Amino acid sequence: DGGITQSPKYLFRKEGQNVTLSCEQNLNHDAMYWYRQDPGQGLRLIYYSQIVNDFQKGDIAEGYSVSREKKESFPLTVTSAQKNPTAFYLCASSMRPAMGNTIYFGEGSWLTVV
Amino acid sequence: AQTVTQSQPEMSVQEAETVTLSCTYDTSENNYYLFWYKQPPSRQMILVIRQEAYKQQNATENRFSVNFQKAAKSFSLKISDSQLGDTAMYFCAFMGTGANSKLTFGKGITLSVRP
Repeated sequence: DGGITQSPKYLFRKEGQNVTLSCEQNLNHDAMYWYRQDPGQGLRLIYYSQIVNDFQKGDIAEGYSVSREKKESFPLTVTSAQKNPTAFYLCASSMRPAMGNTIYFGEGSWLTVV
Repeated sequence: AQTVTQSQPEMSVQEAETVTLSCTYDTSENNYYLFWYKQPPSRQMILVIRQEAYKQQNATENRFSVNFQKAAKSFSLKISDSQLGDTAMYFCAFMGTGANSKLTFGKGITLSVRP
């Protein structure tokens, strides 16, 4: 089936650890995005990439890192520098967003710091 | 930078009635796109409707329609014949063009449909 796959769905992190959230899409989309969702905050953009080997910081990039080595993959690393990482993380992709094409979302990943 | 404002945190509507969700935005761009997304308890983000700023005609998708007022920078969503399955959070979102082709979201509104 075509779509956007995020894994794991639930992840627990100890303080001081880095963790990586996976995002894979088989839609042949050019652009990929990572959003964070906190209660009452809506979705906030962490990083986005419009082409392979290129990405830009979003509004809340501090404490996060990404890579885009393949068109279909856009993993997000939550580093120990992110002081409040507990949140719901959503990956998204789009064919040609500059033309207003719809951005589609994965099912999300819950990250909890323990 | 673009901003999207949804000033109503919660709304409730009786099943089969009509409800309107408000959204305003701020931008200096002339060409852009506006979206309404639905997020049910499963947390899956589902596209409800999309509007192109250069089109004056309001978008419609079955029971969902928008009232797009470009000069006022207003983009409200009307849900007709509300159904229990419409219970969800609804997010208004703005997307620019070119390097700004990323979604900026409002804080969302929780809609409850009462039986």
